[in-house]
Amino acid sequence: DVKVTQSSRYLVKRTGEKVFLECVQDMDHENMFWYRQDPGLGLRLIYFSYDVKMKEKGDIPEGYSVSREKKERFSLILESASTNQTSMYLCASSPHGWISGNTIYFGEGSWLTVV
Amino acid sequence: QQQVKQSPQSLIVQKGGISIINCAYENTAFDYFPWYQQFPGKGPALLIAIRPDVSEKKEGRFTISFNKSAKQFSLHIMDSQPGDSATYFCAASMSSGTASKLTFGTGTRLQVTL
Repeated sequence: DVKVTQSSRYLVKRTGEKVFLECVQDMDHENMFWYRQDPGLGLRLIYFSYDVKMKEKGDIPEGYSVSREKKERFSLILESASTNQTSMYLCASSPHGWISGNTIYFGEGSWLTVV
Repeated sequence: QQQVKQSPQSLIVQKGGISIINCAYENTAFDYFPWYQQFPGKGPALLIAIRPDVSEKKEGRFTISFNKSAKQFSLHIMDSQPGDSATYFCAASMSSGTASKLTFGTGTRLQVTL
């Protein structure tokens, strides 16, 4: 079974703090993604990575950065957390491929509250 | 702009009834249309998917109907059960130069009552 693990399920951070959300996958997938889920807005793509050290912006990258130093690990960084970044963050991975049709596997999510 | 529009936002169906969720897309380059199911406290998981070269795909009680000319697709859940209560997301993707990624609808919260 594919496993995407998000180490922190619930976090409470203060405005202005630097926040790291960590994600690890165990299926040797090339592609990894960070989505944000908000009620009424669905899932929106923040950043994705198709290889180690490679990254591309998604639809809502402002206020976020990412790091992928190892194939299995993809980190989301909030440089200076703000209250409008309170949300659930979902990490996902998929096998190599730029051709559509690969199943994307999600972690269980990290609930972040910024106060 | 929202490339995949999903309705309704919420749906209540009696046990044994048919649940229908609709989605519409704009970008004709999309060539893969999955549905994801999400239970509370869990991440979304692939439920069923279709490509635009077929008009219907059925897996057990779940059926996707696809209308390429109208750029619409829908999920039908036959004989809905309380265990089907979850949030459902339609999505679309296209082949890309780097990684194929999903664009999601806004989600439908389904409640199946006894």
